Amino acid sequence: DAKTTQPPSMDCAEGRAANLPCNHSTISGNEYVYWYRQIHSQGPQYIIHGLKNNETNEMASLIITEDRKSSTLILPHATLRDTAVYYCIVVQIHAGNMLTFGGGTRLMVKP
Amino acid sequence: DAGVTQSPTHLIKTRGQQVTLRCSPKSGHDTVSWYQQALGQGPQFIFQYYEEEERQRGNFPDRFSGHQFPNYSSELNVNALLLGDSALYLCASSLVGTGGLYTEAFFGQGTRLTVV
Repeated sequence: DAKTTQPPSMDCAEGRAANLPCNHSTISGNEYVYWYRQIHSQGPQYIIHGLKNNETNEMASLIITEDRKSSTLILPHATLRDTAVYYCIVVQIHAGNMLTFGGGTRLMVKP
Repeated sequence: DAGVTQSPTHLIKTRGQQVTLRCSPKSGHDTVSWYQQALGQGPQFIFQYYEEEERQRGNFPDRFSGHQFPNYSSELNVNALLLGDSALYLCASSLVGTGGLYTEAFFGQGTRLTVV
C-alpha cells in the first residue's frame, strides 16, 4: 500500500502557483520523498526529490516539514501543460528505488 | 540522449498467447524496472533488474518474467495472457551510484497491450 496521502484533485489558475500537499506521517528516517507527474497516456515524469531539506530545480520546489511527516510540491507559475496527475512517493533509495504509486492528485490548470 | 525507449508502442494479442516487450534504458543507466498500469490506476511495480538478475519483485504471478542483457536493455515476457493483462506497460531506468544509492528513475512512454 502507498505510504502517502494526497487530495484526489485540485484546480489552479494559469500563471498562479500550484501548491500540492502530501502527507507521509509514517516515513522512515532513510526514506526520501519523490514527486512524479503523469500527463495523460504518457510515462511518469520525474520532478524532484528530497530527504529533509527543501529542494528547488527548474521545474518545481519541494518543501518538507521539519518532522518530515508532510511535504508540499510547488509549481511557481502553473501553465496549461502542467495539467497532470501528480504522485508523491516515499522511497528507500538504499534498497532499490521501487516506486509505490498511490492515487495521486489530479491537477487541473485552468485559463 | 534518447532517454528510455520501449517497443512496440502498441500491441494486440489473443488470450492465451505470449508476449515480449522491450526496453532500452537511458544512456548511463544500469537498472531497469517494469511497471503495469491498468486504465485509471497508478503504475504497479512488477520487478527490477540489475546486473542481469531480478533484484526485487512485486506481487505478480510467475507468468510475468524478465531478462536483462549485458548492454542493460531488458525484456518483459508475459505467458498465457489473460484479458486482465491489458494495460500500459512502463519501463523505468536508473543508476546504482556511489554507496548503493539509486538515482531517480526515468520512464519510457510505455507499451499499450490489449488482450482480446
